[in-house]
Amino acid sequence: GENVEQHPSTLSVQEGDSAVIKCTYSDSASNYFPWYKQELGKRPQLIIDIRSNVGEKKDQRIAVTLNKTAKHFSLHITETQPEDSAVYFCAAPNYGGSQGNLIFGKGTKLSVKP
Amino acid sequence: DTAVSQTPKYLVTQMGNDKSIKCEQNLGHDTMYWYKQDSKKFLKIMFSYNNKELIINETVPNRFSPKSPDKAHLNLHINSLELGDSAVYFCASSQVMPADEQFFGPGTRLTVL
Repeated sequence: GENVEQHPSTLSVQEGDSAVIKCTYSDSASNYFPWYKQELGKRPQLIIDIRSNVGEKKDQRIAVTLNKTAKHFSLHITETQPEDSAVYFCAAPNYGGSQGNLIFGKGTKLSVKP
Repeated sequence: DTAVSQTPKYLVTQMGNDKSIKCEQNLGHDTMYWYKQDSKKFLKIMFSYNNKELIINETVPNRFSPKSPDKAHLNLHINSLELGDSAVYFCASSQVMPADEQFFGPGTRLTVL
């Protein structure tokens, strides 16, 4: 089955700096890589996703890059703001023994200091 | 309109009790899920239902049982609650599984005393 590793577990940046979170996956059949943001006490919400037929996707200050050969994908946040402070989760689909579910990374707690 | 709703938001109960958490989605999605988020914030899939059929059943204790009366609802029943069941439980739904956006409910914080 799929295994998703996420690093770092915590990340602290100064407002205006960039933040990068990296994830690796194990299943070469995986074809969809979402990123979820969870603010304190709130539900996880999708912020960006990428499919395996593209290498990069941008949406304003956030971008995701995918390296299928190396089996890793990264979230990039530029010009960070205090409201970017949250826990971020990457995920990849599991098409293995338990089919049809997303496997989430263990999360990265991002703190943006004003 | 709330896309995915759960009740109750908080649930405090004694060990050994039986409890249920309800989930409803008004997005017309075909698949619904239950996740458990522990104190370390790890999100783990417990169950998913696709068109009222259980598609996956992770290695959760059989004290947990999902019940889906129709495509818009997926309830979670927990028997003989244990201390380790304390967590936040999220319901979610998506149109396609698994390679599609999942919409999460607000979560139910379960505390077992």
